[in-house]
Amino acid sequence: EADIYQTPRYLVIGTGKKITLECSQTMGHDKMYWYQQDPGMELHLIHYSYGVNSTEKGDLSSESTVSRIRTEHFPLTLESARPSHTSQYLCASSDSGEMNTEAFFGQGTRLTVV
Amino acid sequence: DAKTTQPNSMESNEEEPVHLPCNHSTISGTDYIHWYRQLPSQGPEYVIHGLTSNVNNRMASLAIAEDRKSSTLILHRATLRDAAVYYCILRDADKLIFGTGTRLQVFP
Repeated sequence: EADIYQTPRYLVIGTGKKITLECSQTMGHDKMYWYQQDPGMELHLIHYSYGVNSTEKGDLSSESTVSRIRTEHFPLTLESARPSHTSQYLCASSDSGEMNTEAFFGQGTRLTVV
Repeated sequence: DAKTTQPNSMESNEEEPVHLPCNHSTISGTDYIHWYRQLPSQGPEYVIHGLTSNVNNRMASLAIAEDRKSSTLILHRATLRDAAVYYCILRDADKLIFGTGTRLQVFP
C-alpha cells in the first residue's frame, strides 16, 4: 500500500483566494512530484523536488509554487486562484535517483475555481 | 525526454489476454521502460518495469523487443477491474513523463 496522502480530495473555491494543496508521504522518499491533469487528458509534470530545499519546474508552466522544507511534505500553493486553475492535481514520490524504482501516487485533489 | 507511442484505445473481453503495445524508437541504453495504469478517479499506479529482459509480476508481464525500440504489456486474463488508461513511460532519473496512454475497455 502506498503511504502518500493528499488533502483535500475535493476543493471548490472562489476566484482570487489563496489555496494550498497538501501532499505528505511516510516512505522517506527524496523525490516528489506534482502533476496536473484535466479530465480525460494526460498528466503534465508541473513541479518536482530532489529533496529538502530543492524545487524544480516541470515540463508544463504553472502559476503555482511549491516548497520542500521537510522530506515528507511537498505542498503546492496558488496565491490567487483563477477558473483556469480548475483541474486535478496529483502528487507522487519515489526513491532517490534510480530509474528502476517505482513512483507512488496520491489520490489527487480535484480543484474547482468558481 | 525520450518519447513513447501507444494506441489511443483498445478493447478486450473478460478472461481474454490483452497485449498493449508501446513504441519507443528513441530509447537510450540506460532508459528503463515503466508501465503505470490509472483507474477512473484514481491516481496512477505502478504496474511493471524492465530494462532488457522480459519481466513477470503478479499483475502483468512485460515483453521487451531485442532492440528495445518497442515493448508489450501483457495482461494474461483481463478482468473488468483492469479497465483503465495504461501508460508506457521511459523513466528518466529525474522525472516521470507521461504520454497520452492507451484506454483499455474490458467487456463482460
